[in-house]
Amino acid sequence: DTGVSQDPRHKITKRGQNVTFRCDPISEHNRLYWYRQTLGQGPEFLTYFQNEAQLEKSRLLSDRFSAERPKGSFSTLEIQRTEQGDSAMYLCASCGLNTEAFFGQGTRLTVV
Amino acid sequence: DAKTTQPNSMESNEEEPVHLPCNHSTISGTDYIHWYRQLPSQGPEYVIHGLTSNVNNRMASLAIAEDRKSSTLILHRATLRDAAVYYCIRTNSGGSNYKLTFGKGTLLTVNP
Repeated sequence: DTGVSQDPRHKITKRGQNVTFRCDPISEHNRLYWYRQTLGQGPEFLTYFQNEAQLEKSRLLSDRFSAERPKGSFSTLEIQRTEQGDSAMYLCASCGLNTEAFFGQGTRLTVV
Repeated sequence: DAKTTQPNSMESNEEEPVHLPCNHSTISGTDYIHWYRQLPSQGPEYVIHGLTSNVNNRMASLAIAEDRKSSTLILHRATLRDAAVYYCIRTNSGGSNYKLTFGKGTLLTVNP
């Protein structure tokens, strides 16, 4: 197992387009998190899944954002009608029972 | 609200010890103290965590004040690869949700 992987690593999109990011957690981890990080700031929590259930969403997650984790394995984060303010690093993390969080390398989104 | 306070930046010389402070004066009895670090262009990486007692692992040591209102991450011999942003985070890891609330962290510069 190579850890948490995220795809793509970089995405440039035009304002108004939709984008989707994928996260593959460590296989035995049942908890999965999405964070967003802008330049000079620490990561901010977006949403949390336990298995396939989305248990918490931040108010940062506007109605243009949606996340899924079908079958409790990989997860996708979709942003509809992107805005320049959506430009950020999107990080995924997973953890199992009584383990620390393992983060992926993130997807850097640039909205032009 | 990250609920911890850290210096914005610190500087160290290679092969010298580094003491990174963190204040968490409003910590509750069930809150753990976690440290993560983020190297440039990487996702955060777990360093260490503790509740009341001092903790050691292969990466670092964590010294927790007796009143638990502050803690110090100790890197015993800094290397250039330790240059990163270090985040001190309070969590209630006794629950099933491992949501991390990051602040801005401390940017550690290591001089050769």
